[in-house]
Amino acid sequence: GAGVSQTPSNKVTEKGKYVELRCDPISGHTALYWYRQSLGQGPEFLIYFQGTGAADDSGLPNDRFFAVRPEGSVSTLKIQRTERGDSAVYLCASSLFAGSSTDTQYFGPGTRLTVL
Amino acid sequence: DQQVKQNSPSLSVQEGRISILNCDYTNSMFDYFLWYKKYPAEGPTFLISISSIKDKNEDGRFTVFLNKSAKHLSLHIVPSQPGDSAVYFCAASATGANSKLTFGKGITLSVRP
Repeated sequence: GAGVSQTPSNKVTEKGKYVELRCDPISGHTALYWYRQSLGQGPEFLIYFQGTGAADDSGLPNDRFFAVRPEGSVSTLKIQRTERGDSAVYLCASSLFAGSSTDTQYFGPGTRLTVL
Repeated sequence: DQQVKQNSPSLSVQEGRISILNCDYTNSMFDYFLWYKKYPAEGPTFLISISSIKDKNEDGRFTVFLNKSAKHLSLHIVPSQPGDSAVYFCAASATGANSKLTFGKGITLSVRP
């Protein structure tokens, strides 16, 4: 079956521009997560959706970052006024059951964002 | 403040021998631990997990050991194969924390033929 997909795979933008990153979770998975992986680091949590609502956005670094999941499936991570420090790989993951600490999260291949 | 620490950035082992990857954590609320494997240009792939009610979980060549009193876990791969060469991330989550994972920085494993 299809795994988590993310588009685009690479995005190069200029400082100050707006970008959108898309995630298609595994069909039927109710929980969706966004993580960010900077060079030499492990993935860091950004935001978690249970269905359509953002249940935990405590990892978003500032108000330039926003994410939506309007129909409980596809999610879009939006970054306004991009800065060079936003350059990283943005990973999306989904899991079947929401809210259980033993859910296994399945990751997409990521979007590599480069801000020039 | 790193709550999950993988202090060795790399490990090199001979094919057929055992690989032991270590991970330490500081947050006593963590009760579920996972190992992910990552190849270049791919997302992390789930490998094996362990709940805090257990001290060992085995799946084929992969075994994870958990020492709660020491806040330490390790991943054993035996026998190691060249295809195991990848970056391995240790991750942890806590009940009631919406399953968000806290990752270590990863260990690069190289298995020499």
